[in-house]
Amino acid sequence: NAGVTQTPKFQVLKTGQSMTLQCAQDMNHNSMYWYRQDPGMGLRLIYYSASEGTTDKGEVPNGYNVSRLNKREFSLRLESAAPSQTSVYFCASSVWESYEQYFGPGTRLTVT
Amino acid sequence: GENVEQHPSTLSVQEGDSAVIKCTYSDSASNYFPWYKQELGKRPQLIIDIRSNVGEKKDQRIAVTLNKTAKHFSLHITETQPEDSAVYFCAARGGSQGNLIFGKGTKLSVKP
Repeated sequence: NAGVTQTPKFQVLKTGQSMTLQCAQDMNHNSMYWYRQDPGMGLRLIYYSASEGTTDKGEVPNGYNVSRLNKREFSLRLESAAPSQTSVYFCASSVWESYEQYFGPGTRLTVT
Repeated sequence: GENVEQHPSTLSVQEGDSAVIKCTYSDSASNYFPWYKQELGKRPQLIIDIRSNVGEKKDQRIAVTLNKTAKHFSLHITETQPEDSAVYFCAARGGSQGNLIFGKGTKLSVKP
């Protein structure tokens, strides 16, 4: 099992550009999450999907959209990137919401 | 919503000593408290977790204690080793919302 995978690993964008971060899991998990990690701020939830077909906002959803494409895949889209979105983005999944979350390797995004 | 405070932000110990990291939470309905370890440039990985119906849990050199009345929980690492050096995050799952809220992290340095 690959676990949770994310693409790309690194990305540099100019202000105003758009991009989609991809996440996939092969553990048959129901719940998936997107976090951002900034120095000294811990992990903050952007959006989550408790089960296939549902998505909900987390702590910091502004400037982002998500799509739960199927049970395996959960993508995060930045429509118009801003320097404040420079961060490391982690995708995670769990069997259900109250179970252990498994994290992907992360995507380091820089917006200039 | 849930708020999680974590202390200290940095901790330096000598190899073989014990390390204690403390977290407090605000939502009395919170019922799940995991601890994650993140090595430099890597993904967070679960090291131990505890649910609200248990007061203490141990796994070899690692233990977590939970005081529901005071709304705090702690990570205890005994006989620390250099490979324990990492950033440790506590988290709490809010009872009403169901999402994990993370503390800001503790950077543990174990000096040989």
